[in-house]
Amino acid sequence: AQTIHQWPVAEIKAVGSPLSLGCTIKGKSSPNLYWYWQATGGTLQQLFYSITVGQVESVVQLNLSASRPKDDQFILSTEKLLLSHSGFYLCAWSLWNYAEQFFGPGTRLTVL
Amino acid sequence: GQQVQQSPTSLVLQEGENAELQCNFSTSLNSMQWFYQRPGGSLISVFYNPSGTKQSGRLTSTTVIKERRSSLHISSSQITDSGTYLCALGLTFGLGTRVSVFP
Repeated sequence: AQTIHQWPVAEIKAVGSPLSLGCTIKGKSSPNLYWYWQATGGTLQQLFYSITVGQVESVVQLNLSASRPKDDQFILSTEKLLLSHSGFYLCAWSLWNYAEQFFGPGTRLTVL
Repeated sequence: GQQVQQSPTSLVLQEGENAELQCNFSTSLNSMQWFYQRPGGSLISVFYNPSGTKQSGRLTSTTVIKERRSSLHISSSQITDSGTYLCALGLTFGLGTRVSVFP
């Protein structure tokens, strides 16, 4: 069975500090991977997607970056957090573009 | 770009009532999916229903691609059905329907 983990569960960070969020998928080879962001009370906005190791496409520029260093790992990061980065970050995977998506538990980020 | 619109925005139900949530989309993409989300929680896939009708327990989803719409029917609603229901066409999400079920 496939499992998807995200870490950390929650973070409270200061404006201007760096950030790294992680996502790992087990039990599935070469999945498509996605990062989404959800502002409090808002809908999901896709940030990045990756269809293979080392390749990441940006969908929305929010002063964030993403990398896929391993087939089963997706990292979201920034060197300088903004207040507007606060929200809920979700990682998801699918077998191919527009196939059924499966989401991780999410990371709640609060920037103060 | 692709658009996904959900209605109603919110719904208040008395336990036992039925409800129908709508999702309309602007392109004929074959990848409709419905999700359930509790406040502060992650997304749980309810249906992946690119076309046709699927049923699971008290939930039924019907997608008609040529009419660019999908619906989620909740029958005999329960308090535990409360939460937000999101539809997604590919990687584009609607704003959701917030469902509140009271005894």
